Amino acid sequence: DAGVIQSPRHEVTEMGQEVTLRCKPISGHNSLFWYRQTMMRGLELLIYFNNNVPIDDSGMPEDRFSAKMPNASFSTLKIQPSEPRDSAVYFCASSTTGGTYNEQFFGPGTRLTVL
Amino acid sequence: RKEVEQDPGPFNVPEGATVAFNCTYSNSASQSFFWYRQDCRKEPKLLMSVYSSGNEDGRFTAQLNRASQYISLLIRDSKLSDSATYLCVVNGGGGADGLTFGKGTHLIIQP
Repeated sequence: DAGVIQSPRHEVTEMGQEVTLRCKPISGHNSLFWYRQTMMRGLELLIYFNNNVPIDDSGMPEDRFSAKMPNASFSTLKIQPSEPRDSAVYFCASSTTGGTYNEQFFGPGTRLTVL
Repeated sequence: RKEVEQDPGPFNVPEGATVAFNCTYSNSASQSFFWYRQDCRKEPKLLMSVYSSGNEDGRFTAQLNRASQYISLLIRDSKLSDSATYLCVVNGGGGADGLTFGKGTHLIIQP
């Protein structure tokens, strides 16, 4: 059974470019989470969806970041324009309903480098 | 004050030894607690949930102290494969209902 799928696995881009990260949650999971991990700040929750609806986006750093979940099997995190300080590993995770009480399954992450 | 605090380590422990580390959290309203494990350059994976009464899973024991707002993880008879970063996770912290992760404790088991 496939786990959470993320693409691309690695992304190198130049400052000012648009970056789109993609996630396919585990089938049947109702909650989806986007995290960012850096050495300095650790793992930070950016936004999470429940039944495709954004529930809490208070962790989104600024307007340059946006996330969508058009259906139960796909979500995107977009950064436009990207900046060097956005360099990090971005994880997507999914869970059954009530995700903060149940196990979250993480994807392999997208390692983003903004030059 | 940081919402979830952990000693970053590293903890260097000989194989077979017992090791314990704690985590403190600031939100007294938190209701769910977990330990996740993260290997180098990999994604976090759930190690165990932490229940009020404490719980054990093989060589691993987790304890919760609500009064003092800390969580502990004990690893007995440590194996080389236990080398990883252990993340303390609490709900009801950062976002309205999201999970807040500690920065992790780095454990190195030495042969």
